[in-house]
Amino acid sequence: DAGITQSPRHKVTETGTPVTLRCHQTENHRYMYWYRQDPGHGLRLIHYSYGVKDTDKGEVSDGYSVSRSKTEDFLLTLESATSSQTSVYFCAISVADTTYEQYFGPGTRLTVT
Amino acid sequence: GQQLNQSPQSMFIQEGEDVSMNCTSSSIFNTWLWYKQEPGEGPVLLIALYKAGELTSNGRLTAQFGITRKDSFLNISASIPSDVGIYFCAGPLSAGGGADGLTFGKGTHLIIQP
Repeated sequence: DAGITQSPRHKVTETGTPVTLRCHQTENHRYMYWYRQDPGHGLRLIHYSYGVKDTDKGEVSDGYSVSRSKTEDFLLTLESATSSQTSVYFCAISVADTTYEQYFGPGTRLTVT
Repeated sequence: GQQLNQSPQSMFIQEGEDVSMNCTSSSIFNTWLWYKQEPGEGPVLLIALYKAGELTSNGRLTAQFGITRKDSFLNISASIPSDVGIYFCAGPLSAGGGADGLTFGKGTHLIIQP
């Protein structure tokens, strides 16, 4: 158990509304990640963070922004949700700078109607 | 990003059978990871491989880092009902090094028939 929680676990929202998903970790790991999982696509990286206020884009970052004001929290925001952003969102952490091993949270299922 | 091709997409097997699946990349990897995901949960790391030719076991699971560095294999011996799930391979998203994210295969769905 990597001490990762995600909230909310499920959310239904309407097109055009803003949505923020939260990832919280208890072990002060430096690297945190947001992925989305869709049928037929596996998991794809949205954004990641390598420290407080240090973030970078992943493969599918359009339409998403992130913030990290504290080590333990990494927020993913959809400024104006679209139906194409209906997905399951996973947060992950890496336990060291020198490893690619990542540990995942339980996920947030987001439905945009 | 680098693409990973997993096969087979799904497997229907009997309890007690051995399972083999593989993953190939369009480019060389320096790390291979294997994950398992069960319904409603996040992926769980099973095995990490760091060296070409490396063979690593975790209980009934054995994974190998291909010598070409473009493929990896996962074997499960004597399958049991709790092995059901989706198995993903993963590798570094970029060749630049550092913990800057993973690219995943589309998964092998393992189904065990009674």
